[in-house]
Amino acid sequence: SAVISQKPSRDICQRGTSLTIQCQVDSQVTMMFWYRQQPGQSLTLIATANQGSEATYESGFVIDKFPISRPNLTFSTLTVSNMSPEDSSIYLCSVESTTRGDEQYFGPGTRLTVT
Amino acid sequence: AQTVTQSQPEMSVQEAETVTLSCTYDTSESNYYLFWYKQPPSRQMILVIRQEAYKQQNATENRFSVNFQKAAKSFSLKISDSQLGDTAMYFCAFTHGTSYGKLTFGQGTILTVHP
Repeated sequence: SAVISQKPSRDICQRGTSLTIQCQVDSQVTMMFWYRQQPGQSLTLIATANQGSEATYESGFVIDKFPISRPNLTFSTLTVSNMSPEDSSIYLCSVESTTRGDEQYFGPGTRLTVT
Repeated sequence: AQTVTQSQPEMSVQEAETVTLSCTYDTSESNYYLFWYKQPPSRQMILVIRQEAYKQQNATENRFSVNFQKAAKSFSLKISDSQLGDTAMYFCAFTHGTSYGKLTFGQGTILTVHP
């Protein structure tokens, strides 16, 4: 399985500011994914990031609010823009398995609190 | 659209005993995969077990096994010889063959193992 790291692990941010979350994988992967987990809730897919193309966003998520970069096959960033308290969540990146495309491995998550 | 339902918000079990977590799903797809993920307090999502829909044989991973009832669209997780380290949130998840990576999660079940 892939080893995935995320930075920062947690942050407390002011309303109206932006935070960029980094996701680094120890091997090259085609597809990376960003999920949001609101307090006490399940995970919801924000977008799929393929290297060399625009990210594909799920219903309810827009690029202006959650811009994503995917500059190479081992790295991606998610920015949470113009934050409000409702953005307080855990943000997780995941990657597809290189042996079983249906499986995903997750990073440790970034806990964001917006005050 | 696919839906995944976990009807047990919380479960508890004594150490060394067996517990079963329930999951039902709804889909019109024929080629799909089901998963159980574990999220301990550290919040790292860990893949516990995977089931391919076209396989009738139930998946098993050490103390973890599933009861996959395709006609009933049921996918329960059995944990045998429960250990304190099994205490976590457990998520049932689904993806289908034409949309790898788009995991749909259930609401989660908090499992507490008591000594």
